[in-house]
Amino acid sequence: GQNIDQPTEMTATEGAIVQINCTYQTSGFNGLFWYQQHAGEAPTFLSYNVLDGLEEKGRFSSFLSRSKGYSYLLLKELQMKDSASYLCAVRDGDYKLSFGAGTTVTVRA
Amino acid sequence: IAGITQAPTSQILAAGRRMTLRCTQDMRHNAMYWYRQDLGLGLRLIHYSNTAGTTGKGEVPDGYSVSRANTDDFPLTLASAVPSQTSVYFCASSEASGGTDTQYFGPGTRLTVL
Repeated sequence: GQNIDQPTEMTATEGAIVQINCTYQTSGFNGLFWYQQHAGEAPTFLSYNVLDGLEEKGRFSSFLSRSKGYSYLLLKELQMKDSASYLCAVRDGDYKLSFGAGTTVTVRA
Repeated sequence: IAGITQAPTSQILAAGRRMTLRCTQDMRHNAMYWYRQDLGLGLRLIHYSNTAGTTGKGEVPDGYSVSRANTDDFPLTLASAVPSQTSVYFCASSEASGGTDTQYFGPGTRLTVL
């Protein structure tokens, strides 16, 4: 089976930086995705990593280390609208996505 | 362009009843997926279809069936609903099942089985 771990909750202040860690153990690896999900809404795609290193997209960056089975999502210059759940998902050897339980980020004024 | 639509938005269902959740995409994506999302467990794959005419079982397929008669539609059927099937159901699609392909999600169906 697949095992994907991420913290349940994080709280940060508006304008700050938050790092959400994700560790995984899967049968094969074909990429790691991060999704954002606001309460009561569908997940929306944020980032994709398949090679080691950092991918930057505006205020959001995602890092991958395949040898360590580790990724993080970095959210900079936090805004109130960033309050949401962030889902780490790994695509396994069969090209199926397995999701972590999600990290709920609360941004305080 | 709607992307992915799901119906109904929410439903309360008596145990033992049959229910079909509908999913339609207008992006001409080859692959489609059904997930359920439960508190503390994250999204879990129920069934998937890599292309029209083919389907496969995901992590939690028991009690569910799917069909893929054409590219656009991917209905999920609960033959005889049970309370443990109370969940939020998301349909997703992607251009293909491999490569750098990204899955896009529908708005979800909130199902309560009493």
